[in-house]
Amino acid sequence: EAAVTQSPRSKVAVTGGKVTLSCHQTNNHDYMYWYRQDTGHGLRLIHYSYVADSTEKGDIPDGYKASRPSQENFSLILELASLSQTAVYFCASRRLGGRNEQYFGPGTRLTVL
Amino acid sequence: GDSVTQTEGLVTVTEGLPVKLNCTYQTTYLTIAFFWYVQYLNEAPQVLLKSSTDNKRTEHQGFHATLHKSSSSFHLQKSSAQLSDSALYYCALSYGSSGNKLIFGIGTLLSVKP
Repeated sequence: EAAVTQSPRSKVAVTGGKVTLSCHQTNNHDYMYWYRQDTGHGLRLIHYSYVADSTEKGDIPDGYKASRPSQENFSLILELASLSQTAVYFCASRRLGGRNEQYFGPGTRLTVL
Repeated sequence: GDSVTQTEGLVTVTEGLPVKLNCTYQTTYLTIAFFWYVQYLNEAPQVLLKSSTDNKRTEHQGFHATLHKSSSSFHLQKSSAQLSDSALYYCALSYGSSGNKLIFGIGTLLSVKP
């Protein structure tokens, strides 16, 4: 069954540390996305990618980097984690085509202390 | 700026009664499609409805929505709420030449009481 998986599912990090969140999709989709979810803000786009080895900035990219080494894998990197980056992070994938929806992974709960 | 507005943060309704979740939007982009996503507790958001046709009713799982471009709205409705409908609902629109990006509202938490 086609799916988007994320690892880890939860993580506690220290301020100033490096955090890497991973996403893997078996949908054979072109697009992959990283969002963060915060109460009162909904889902906000951090980075996205439409092809391997290329990433694009979303609406809130500051403090985050992304990497797409293959069509199936998309990572979100926090080089210097900060308290304000405590949130739930969702990865999503989408097939090329104007009206196609995005399919979300189960999320990673990140707590920065 | 471009935005999707969901005016209610929390909607509480009694089981069996109708429910309406509001969604309006403002965008200068060429909008491709409109979506309602539902997120159950501790789960991923998933598509509930989608539409790209003005004034056409879309239905799924007992919910329905009609895109009205004249009023920039895409409200979600159900005639009889069920306990299992309790969840977080997001309105979103996709834009751009390939519809590759979504703008989400802040979400409305629907709580259905017995």
